[in-house]
Amino acid sequence: KAGVTQTPRYLIKTRGQQVTLSCSPISGHRSVSWYQQTPGQGLQFLFEYFSETQRNKGNFPGRFSGRQFSNSRSEMNVSTLELGDSALYLCASSLSGEQETQYFGPGTRLLVL
Amino acid sequence: GESVGLHLPTLSVQEGDNSIINCAYSNSASDYFIWYKQESGKGPQFIIDIRSNMDKRQGQRVTVLLNKTVKHLSLQIAATQPGDSAVYFCAENDPSGSARQLTFGSGTQLTVLP
Repeated sequence: KAGVTQTPRYLIKTRGQQVTLSCSPISGHRSVSWYQQTPGQGLQFLFEYFSETQRNKGNFPGRFSGRQFSNSRSEMNVSTLELGDSALYLCASSLSGEQETQYFGPGTRLLVL
Repeated sequence: GESVGLHLPTLSVQEGDNSIINCAYSNSASDYFIWYKQESGKGPQFIIDIRSNMDKRQGQRVTVLLNKTVKHLSLQIAATQPGDSAVYFCAENDPSGSARQLTFGSGTQLTVLP
């Protein structure tokens, strides 16, 4: 069974631009969570989707948004990029998200210049 | 205050020795815990998990111990190998907040010496 895949793997943007990242969960997994990882803040929860609905959101500004499609694939979008948005963005999937192991993708490395 | 970079605790062990990585979790209501391993340039990889109704769980070469009294979690790796060199994170799941949000510790850098 294929693991979680994320595209693109690397991305360079400039301040003020917007970016969309994509995540394909493990087949059969319906819950997708997004995390931001930086050297300064570690791994921080962004949001979680299940059946195309956002069930929980972390403490991030409204510039960070996401969505999930009927096939459980998910995208996250960051608008008006800031230098501090440079990070590794990780997607994790689980069957239903209820007290289960989350399996992570390789991440998308975003650099904002 | 000013935000500074996380200072990862480090642990260096000789190849073949046992490693013990510790984690203090924050929420007494957390009922599910996971250890992840993250190698450079990769996403976190699941190692082992434990629910709060247990105090010990064993996997292949790894053992997780849970002490709810002092909110402490540990990961023991037997016969540590060079491939075990990575950053290890503990994560907790608080069901009273969101059952679908993991809170991660800052991580421990494990280096295996030849």
